[in-house]
Amino acid sequence: DTAVSQTPKYLVTQMGNDKSIKCEQNLGHDTMYWYKQDSKKFLKIMFSYNNKELIINETVPNRFSPKSPDKAHLNLHINSLELGDSAVYFCASSQAYRTNTEAFFGQGTRLTVV
Amino acid sequence: AQSVSQHNHHVILSEAASLELGCNYSYGGTVNLFWYVQYPGQHLQLLLKYFSGDPLVKGIKGFEAEFIKSKFSFNLRKPSVQWSDTAEYFCAVNNQGGKLIFGQGTELSVKP
Repeated sequence: DTAVSQTPKYLVTQMGNDKSIKCEQNLGHDTMYWYKQDSKKFLKIMFSYNNKELIINETVPNRFSPKSPDKAHLNLHINSLELGDSAVYFCASSQAYRTNTEAFFGQGTRLTVV
Repeated sequence: AQSVSQHNHHVILSEAASLELGCNYSYGGTVNLFWYVQYPGQHLQLLLKYFSGDPLVKGIKGFEAEFIKSKFSFNLRKPSVQWSDTAEYFCAVNNQGGKLIFGQGTELSVKP
């Protein structure tokens, strides 16, 4: 059983397109996250939702819009894709927002914008 | 602002050598500390974590880490590495929940 699953695993698209990445967790966690890993493997948080409510929104261009239809799902929609958006995007979840608990990560989505 | 610094960008060891990866963080309050590992092409997996209690924590695959509060450090150790330990290692911190702040990562290459 995959705890945190993301689709697709790979995504190649042209500049200017709009794309979505989906994430689902079956751990019963309340909190979900999107992290971006750049070409130098540096990981930085983008967004976090707790029980469908946005609680963290780092300085991310508003072309990126997360959506959480329920607490088990957190999708990421990206409008007008740019070359600089090429990265690996990781979804993660944790039991609750303000507790001592670790985050569980999905397999990642490697986005390549050409 | 919180930050995490990993001392080594790339470490190359022979099998059976001992490993120590440095990690320092800057945050004045209570923190949770983590080491994650990312094998080539895979997702991040938790190696070990520190929330409170014994500052020497043991994780999976023979890894351990020591939290030294006075030095704001959480160094990762393994007495004898294997080729299969080749991976990227990330130190991370959060302040009791919420977002993880990651270090830059250390690439470990183990030569058979």
